[in-house]
Amino acid sequence: DTGVSQDPRHKITKRGQNVTFRCDPISEHNRLYWYRQTLGQGPEFLTYFQNEAQLEKSRLLSDRFSAERPKGSFSTLEIQRTEQGDSAMYLCASSIPGQGAKNIQYFGAGTRLSVL
Amino acid sequence: AQKITQTQPGMFVQEKEAVTLDCTYDTSDQSYGLFWYKQPSSGEMIFLIYQGSYDEQNATEGRYSLNFQKARKSANLVISASQLGDSAMYFCAMREEGNFNKFYFGSGTKLNVKP
Repeated sequence: DTGVSQDPRHKITKRGQNVTFRCDPISEHNRLYWYRQTLGQGPEFLTYFQNEAQLEKSRLLSDRFSAERPKGSFSTLEIQRTEQGDSAMYLCASSIPGQGAKNIQYFGAGTRLSVL
Repeated sequence: AQKITQTQPGMFVQEKEAVTLDCTYDTSDQSYGLFWYKQPSSGEMIFLIYQGSYDEQNATEGRYSLNFQKARKSANLVISASQLGDSAMYFCAMREEGNFNKFYFGSGTKLNVKP
């Protein structure tokens, strides 16, 4: 199995521009998660998909953020009108269903966004 | 209140020695899971070990063990025989019965292993 893949690894953009990140989960993982990690902090939950359905969104996900998983496989996270406060690492994770509390999420290496 | 607290921003350990990374948690759920992840400078979060709230024995995975003290709400990670490759950020995380899809992470501990 290949791991969770994220692209690009690094993105530098100017304030006000739109950016889009892609996440390819481990094959047959029907659950997909997005997290944001700022410097010196642990990851914070943004949103979660089961197959193509977006089942939960954090209050951190402002209306400038949108995530999709159109065919239940890869997912995209778009940030519109980027702000300097959006600078962070964006992590994607995937998991299989079930297992309750033990359900292990497998993470990608993240996309580091720098907004100038 | 913070769900996960890691009070050690940075730790040093001599190669081949054991080290304990602290983690306390806060939940009112009876069923929950505790996790430790390692994040090297490359950025990827690597799953290390899991402890369920109903597990009576402390979890172990190779050189990693989790010192679970339920009454104290602590879930400390013990790394035995430290190696240079263990130098990384370590995050404690929790998932609660109320929402098994959501992880709460601590702020992490930066471990440096000295040769």
